[in-house]
Amino acid sequence: LAKTTQPISMDSYEGQEVNITCSHNNIATNDYITWYQQFPSQGPRFIIQGYKTKVTNEVASLFIPADRKSSTLSLPRVSLSDTAVYYCLVGIAKAAGNKLTFGGGTRVLVKP
Amino acid sequence: EPEVTQTPSHQVTQMGQEVILRCVPISNHLYFYWYRQILGQKVEFLVSFYNNEISEKSEIFDDQFSVERPDGSNFTLKIRSTKLEDSAMYFCASSEAEETQYFGPGTRLLVL
Repeated sequence: LAKTTQPISMDSYEGQEVNITCSHNNIATNDYITWYQQFPSQGPRFIIQGYKTKVTNEVASLFIPADRKSSTLSLPRVSLSDTAVYYCLVGIAKAAGNKLTFGGGTRVLVKP
Repeated sequence: EPEVTQTPSHQVTQMGQEVILRCVPISNHLYFYWYRQILGQKVEFLVSFYNNEISEKSEIFDDQFSVERPDGSNFTLKIRSTKLEDSAMYFCASSEAEETQYFGPGTRLLVL
């Protein structure tokens, strides 16, 4: 299982773009990169998933360089409600029934 | 948007008592999971379930734990004889084949 490393915490201000980088040096060929968001006392919520290059949805963008040893989650124009813990997960996410292994995540605090 | 629901939202029990945590997964999902998160710690995988049997379980999921799909809509986690260290948020999740896991809001279990 590929180990991930991400910052413990980040502060930002409303309206700014937040970029969280996750390192996964020993990512395997079959591994996907998935990001989840968790608000206090709630379950994790899927944000985005990618394999390579760039993926964008209505919530975020995910940038993955060619070597796939890292990835960056980009949250555009954050608001106070984006304050949460963001988890980077690496694994065979496309395999049915596959367990998710969460690390410590990055605690993002958005200030007014 | 369909969502995973869990009941109760909070449960307080005495050490040694049995508890049953209930989940209603998203209706067309076939894979079901339980995770737990002790206060201030990581989200930990407990068990995955497919086709009426356990697919994978972690070392946390010992003989005190069991899961069941008693009917077509519910998925339950039973802890036979609770211990103080079972106090945690318990999250149910479900997924279609090879797709994202969707988490419920959790049940906060407090063992006294």
